[in-house]
Amino acid sequence: AQSVTQLGSHVSVSEGALVLLRCNYSSSVPPYLFWYVQYPNQGLQLLLKYTSAATLVKGINGFEAEFKKSETSFHLTKPSAHMSDAAEYFCAVSKSGYSTLTFGKGTMLLVSP
Amino acid sequence: NAGVTQTPKFQVLKTGQSMTLQCAQDMNHEYMSWYRQDPGMGLRLIHYSVGAGITDQGEVPNGYNVSRSTTEDFPLRLLSAAPSQTSVYFCASSYVLTGGGTEAFFGQGTRLTVV
Repeated sequence: AQSVTQLGSHVSVSEGALVLLRCNYSSSVPPYLFWYVQYPNQGLQLLLKYTSAATLVKGINGFEAEFKKSETSFHLTKPSAHMSDAAEYFCAVSKSGYSTLTFGKGTMLLVSP
Repeated sequence: NAGVTQTPKFQVLKTGQSMTLQCAQDMNHEYMSWYRQDPGMGLRLIHYSVGAGITDQGEVPNGYNVSRSTTEDFPLRLLSAAPSQTSVYFCASSYVLTGGGTEAFFGQGTRLTVV
């Protein structure tokens, strides 16, 4: 069985500060990992994905994530937060082949001026 | 290029009523799924389909029914609405990535309130 744990239901940063959103996974098989972003009253949009190629994955809007097998982690970072980054972020895992996604509970990112 | 289209966007139901949430995709994906989103719970899988005529249950299937007669459409039926089904519902269309894993595209959601 797969599971995802996102540490911190809310993270607050100042504009221009580093963004770090944490995700740890549990999987009995090599995982495929995703970060999605949800803006208020919107659907989910893919930020980036890890599919066993490069361990450092770059996504849209300046976000990146690093897959660390030894730590079973896939934390999301952005060097400098922007007001427009305020949203809810979800980490998700799937297995090889067709697999439904298992989501974490989400982290709300709050950005203050 | 519509992607995944869900209708309606908002719905209020009375307890005991039934309704169908519509989902259509135009990406010719084989795989489709329904999730519900509740505060602090993330997204939980209700039902999914791996192709026309093939469906299976997810984590929280009780009170919901699905069928898939075409590749494009995957409706979700609430048989007898209960207040516990108040939620935001997302439909997703998926394909298998070349490197493995499954990427999902989501609709804009249906916000359902059961009173």
